[in-house]
Amino acid sequence: QKEVEQNSGPLSVPEGAIASLNCTYSDRGSQSFFWYRQYSGKSPELIMFIYSNGDKEDGRFTAQLNKASQYVSLLIRDSQPSDSATYLCAVNKDTGFQKLVFGTGTRLLVSP
Amino acid sequence: DAGITQSPRHKVTETGTPVTLRCHQTENHRYMYWYRQDPGHGLRLIHYSYGVKDTDKGEVSDGYSVSRSKTEDFLLTLESATSSQTSVYFCAISDGDTSYTEAFFGQGTRLTVV
Repeated sequence: QKEVEQNSGPLSVPEGAIASLNCTYSDRGSQSFFWYRQYSGKSPELIMFIYSNGDKEDGRFTAQLNKASQYVSLLIRDSQPSDSATYLCAVNKDTGFQKLVFGTGTRLLVSP
Repeated sequence: DAGITQSPRHKVTETGTPVTLRCHQTENHRYMYWYRQDPGHGLRLIHYSYGVKDTDKGEVSDGYSVSRSKTEDFLLTLESATSSQTSVYFCAISDGDTSYTEAFFGQGTRLTVV
């Protein structure tokens, strides 16, 4: 079992729809959770992080964390073609700095 | 890219040769990391540094060594390159000592070992 699991996709949604990206993790001691976006041939860039159970909203993005179920998700509202990218879920098991464990990513395709 | 420069950006090398990749930052961040990214495996941590001359192994450190003689530079060396080390290598930096400090990534180096 991988430490961080994501469906590879592609997840296809029409423009304006809500895209829901999911991630599960195996280590109950994980401290914080990150969503990175990576365009093809580019480096990952942070969208948002969450470390408390519940929802965290930032513009069109909402991260949801359920530690009991070891589940974290990212919702993208009003999806745009420019959101088409691979979304990487990452988990930090450390209480200190950034020793991140990444999932393999979910490819999102937003069609006009 | 948050003041991070990786060099070279692309390299083709032969099996058995040593290769050094360089990561240079202008942010004065304490922590620096080397990841490799492969299809089906995602990003995996190779080595990291928490200060000058302070480094430690990550998840996939076999066949790699690192050095950090200055805050701004973190070098990754493949002692004797193998085809399994063909990958895209990313350097990352972060600052602060909390588990939710943002890590910034460099542009990546595509390494091909033939």
